[in-house]
Amino acid sequence: QVQLQESGPGLVKPSQTLSLTCTVSGGSISSGRYYWSWIRQPAGKGLEWIGRIYTSGRTNYNPSLKSRVTISVDTSKNQFSLKLSSVTAADTAVYYCAREIEVEPAANYYYFYMDVWGKGTTVTDSS
Amino acid sequence: DIQMTQSPSSLSASVGDRVTISCQASQDISNYLNWYQQKPGKAPKVLIYAASDLETGVPSRFSGSGSGTDFTFTISSLQPEDIATYYCQQYDNLPYTFGQGTKLEIK
Repeated sequence: QVQLQESGPGLVKPSQTLSLTCTVSGGSISSGRYYWSWIRQPAGKGLEWIGRIYTSGRTNYNPSLKSRVTISVDTSKNQFSLKLSSVTAADTAVYYCAREIEVEPAANYYYFYMDVWGKGTTVTDSS
Repeated sequence: DIQMTQSPSSLSASVGDRVTISCQASQDISNYLNWYQQKPGKAPKVLIYAASDLETGVPSRFSGSGSGTDFTFTISSLQPEDIATYYCQQYDNLPYTFGQGTKLEIK
């Protein structure tokens, strides 16, 4: 079965760029109708959707972060990545990568949900 | 952004109880709603998608209902392993948004 694993530095200096990678194992990142997503969760708080990428390269970002976020995919490595620039203390969180499945049970009717998640990685600003 | 409001924020119940959590959207989202379970220190896990469809492998004591702006998540008979925080999430519009979570504890 498909598994996801986040990797990257756990400490980021303020104003610098957070870079995380999600490695997909047990299946090809290019197959199926899937989006590849990033979600974060500050300690003791709720979930915030950051954005997603389709294997075509098409991206969607949360407008609250859009000016600072870049999500990319490397199909040769079966990985996708998150870059978040100009980090502040407010970006300290557990970052999850997830696979979002697109289901079309009827013409022009879609379900989307995140069916596979990584274990999460904690990123802290070093201030 | 569509705002998702869950109630209650926390809930204490006994094993075997029927538990209900509500989720209200700030606008009509049809049935474009998912429910996730998050145990402490773990990633979320989808339980219900499209408001009422049970994800494969999820016990049948979990169910969801609703459409439009008002949704309900139910555990028919609470088990000790159900201790977790539950989140609703809308996918009608980007950005996806989650409710603030309902923390479920055992009495």
